[in-house]
Amino acid sequence: AQKVTQAQTEISVVEKEDVTLDCVYETRDTTYYLFWYKQPPSGELVFLIRRNSFDEQNEISGRYSWNFQKSTSSFNFTITASQVVDSAVYFCALSEEGDYKLSFGAGTTVTVRA
Amino acid sequence: NAGVMQNPRHLVRRRGQEARLRCSPMKGHSHVYWYRQLPEEGLKFMVYLQKENIIDESGMPKERFSAEFPKEGPSILRIQQVVRGDSAAYFCASSPRDRGANTEAFFGQGTRLTVV
Repeated sequence: AQKVTQAQTEISVVEKEDVTLDCVYETRDTTYYLFWYKQPPSGELVFLIRRNSFDEQNEISGRYSWNFQKSTSSFNFTITASQVVDSAVYFCALSEEGDYKLSFGAGTTVTVRA
Repeated sequence: NAGVMQNPRHLVRRRGQEARLRCSPMKGHSHVYWYRQLPEEGLKFMVYLQKENIIDESGMPKERFSAEFPKEGPSILRIQQVVRGDSAAYFCASSPRDRGANTEAFFGQGTRLTVV
């Protein structure tokens, strides 16, 4: 069963636009962890954030912000004032309590045009 | 995450050859995880190892694939008699302890295997 769904396959924006990436997850555990990773064209995976299920506070880090809504099982990611360097594939992932595996979504490709 | 070293970055093999992918975890990390990313897909868990032990290989194909993490040296993912369908990016991650405690897993830059 798909545990993490990233419904948007590709998003294309013009520089300075905001872009929001959706992530919907599925778990029966009450304790779990959600992650976002960035995969730029060079191919490596860059860790962006980890959030545990008990912390529903939204988080902001520079131009990045995350909106965690347990009621809708969503952990959305917004890039404000996008830049060309934000062009990448972004993955949302879930880890359940007591499980070391990360379950990844299929990824959303973001293209920021100058 | 730059501390997890994978090599080679790119590997080309002919069908039927063997592929060996190496992963050196971050200093102080004793847990290693291998993931495979097929073209235009997300990463899928393959195997979890501690030093000299395979803890979980539930995501690894039953045939031709094996993994080890010896007491000394890097973790090795070995694919025997490669086929075109093995072409993918293989990522290694490491953590200082069992991620059941949900520490971050830090990923290497990946090895892109192309089977021709």
